[in-house]
Amino acid sequence: QSVLTQPPSVSGAPGQRVTISCTGSSSNIGAGYDVHWYQQLPGAAPKLLIYGNSNRPSGVPDRFSGSKSGTSASLAITGLQAEDEADYYCQSSDNSVSGSRVFGGGTKLTVL
Amino acid sequence: QVTLRESGPALVKPTQILTLTCTFSGFSLSTSGMCVSWIRQPPGKALEWLARIDWDDDKYYTTSLKTRLTISKGTSKNQVVLTMTNMDPVDTATYYCARERTGSIDYWGQGTLVTVSS
Repeated sequence: QSVLTQPPSVSGAPGQRVTISCTGSSSNIGAGYDVHWYQQLPGAAPKLLIYGNSNRPSGVPDRFSGSKSGTSASLAITGLQAEDEADYYCQSSDNSVSGSRVFGGGTKLTVL
Repeated sequence: QVTLRESGPALVKPTQILTLTCTFSGFSLSTSGMCVSWIRQPPGKALEWLARIDWDDDKYYTTSLKTRLTISKGTSKNQVVLTMTNMDPVDTATYYCARERTGSIDYWGQGTLVTVSS
């Protein structure tokens, strides 16, 4: 299983707000490492959605936001749109192995 | 414009060695802070980080596969090579190379599907 824990699935109707959690431990998120989020549309490579806990790369709509607290992080999506239906992954670093990176198990977002 | 492209065999037999090449453009791996990582994704499953090589040639591996993986800079300045020994059907996955800066992966290749089967 993945080092970071995410819910397998979330869903919401168009226009609604959904959140996806990412729970880690004292060796990764709780150690102060940044959390990053990726969106993977069906059949495509992942795309960086949020970096450094809460920063959006250029071109990412402000409907997407990230936060971090303690050993957890969250991705929030407001004004849900059909095109947001995708898999979402969180990622951080972990000091149990120097220089390693860890991913969450991924969350499938379904737009109802 | 940053691009990365993975190349290598689509099919390998069990116990064989897999060699994948990442050819990139739009950045230099000699620039401070630049890194290239390999990540894989079995069909229908989650992303798994495998290895990373940094601008200063430091190398890092996931613990579970450390004995089987080797990451290196290629003979060309814009290439990174990943080798994985003793391939098994459970290693069937799409393998991605990607650029990393400050811990986040900001550019991904399209991925290459590697199937392990006799």
